[in-house]
Amino acid sequence: ETGVTQTPRHLVMGMTNKKSLKCEQHLGHNAMYWYKQSAKKPLELMFVYSLEERVENNSVPSRFSPECPNSSHLFLHLHTLQPEDSALYLCASSQELAGAHEQFFGPGTRLTVL
Amino acid sequence: ELKVEQNPLFLSMQEGKNYTIYCNYSTTSDRLYWYRQDPGKSLESLFVLLSNGAVKQEGRLMASLDTKARLSTLHITAAVHDLSATYFCAVRNRIQGAQKLVFGQGTRLTINP
Repeated sequence: ETGVTQTPRHLVMGMTNKKSLKCEQHLGHNAMYWYKQSAKKPLELMFVYSLEERVENNSVPSRFSPECPNSSHLFLHLHTLQPEDSALYLCASSQELAGAHEQFFGPGTRLTVL
Repeated sequence: ELKVEQNPLFLSMQEGKNYTIYCNYSTTSDRLYWYRQDPGKSLESLFVLLSNGAVKQEGRLMASLDTKARLSTLHITAAVHDLSATYFCAVRNRIQGAQKLVFGQGTRLTINP
């Protein structure tokens, strides 16, 4: 695998379910990000991890819970979601402290909450 | 709070024509990024602009940055159908050893034969 991978690619869940989104980066980067992309809003940053520490939490509801066990993996745990949480969830990574700090994105998980 | 605005939001053009997408941002930043997104796909990095006056070109796309005017442009020359996509600009805010990108709303570009 190369670049940034995300699983699953599609997820349908009920409001009472618990599920997790997984992201893995194979680029040797030290920062990882979760974004939400809805149909009618700009891309929204949800969480940022740098060197496995959370450095940003953009007022995201507690029904979204991130986890970064190491610099290559990032999870987004979901529980009791609402229909308005249906969106494309994108993971990204970047290498800080050097270079252009460009963020590389994964293919996304298309989430539908029924 | 950093805000990023793109215009136009929708653009339909004929093949062979030239056009420009504009990206304005509200506070000082030293880095601006352009991304492309095809329907149902992820974001693909196009350009990273690091300094005032920076200009980068790749094929029929050229991006420039004026940090004093807080403006970036993405110019399309002699458009072809393959360039149909949504284009996003993003501006960097640094936070504690990582970076926060603030994205524009995106410009959906449709190129007609």
